[in-house]
Amino acid sequence: AQSVTQLDSQVPVFEEAPVELRCNYSSSVSVYLFWYVQYPNQGLQLLLKYLSGSTLVKGINGFEAEFNKSQTSFHLRKPSVHISDTAEYFCAVIAGDSSYKLIFGSGTRLLVRP
Amino acid sequence: EAGVTQSPTHLIKTRGQQVTLRCSPISGHTSVYWYQQALGLGLQFLLWYDEGEERNRGNFPPRFSGRQFPNYSSELNVNALELEDSALYLCASSDGGQGFGELFFGEGSRLTVL
Repeated sequence: AQSVTQLDSQVPVFEEAPVELRCNYSSSVSVYLFWYVQYPNQGLQLLLKYLSGSTLVKGINGFEAEFNKSQTSFHLRKPSVHISDTAEYFCAVIAGDSSYKLIFGSGTRLLVRP
Repeated sequence: EAGVTQSPTHLIKTRGQQVTLRCSPISGHTSVYWYQQALGLGLQFLLWYDEGEERNRGNFPPRFSGRQFPNYSSELNVNALELEDSALYLCASSDGGQGFGELFFGEGSRLTVL
């Protein structure tokens, strides 16, 4: 069965600094990978997704992620964060086994400080 | 275009009671997903409905059940409430086709069990 591990529960960073949120997955079959963001008191919103093709995926709000099959990772990066990026970020996976069930990691809270 | 709507937004119940949560998907979406977001546990997959049928179920006891109506709206029922059922219950919808893996979330129903 597939699973997702987000190694950091909270990542504090200063405004305008770069940030990387880590995500590793486990699956014996091909995978589709996603990052979602949850702003305070809101539902989740899709940031970006990797289905196939280029391993570098660009999303909304200046975020990007790179699919690394050999390291089974899909880390999320942003070169310069803003206060408004403070939110909970979830990595998610669908295994290509027809379950089409999105499995989420436990989330990483990004805390951007002025 | 209206997003995913959930009701009620907040509710308080006592142990042993029953609760029904409701969800209206985005117009044209046929798939509805339910997730439980308990404090510190991330999002746990509950149920997936598509075209009125239950397609997949997470690792939850049978007292968690639901259904999808012909208009694709959905209900989540939880019987014999326990304290640990306190959580934010998120509903999401998708069109299952071009937007593969992209779920559109509602803002959730926050359940408190006393």
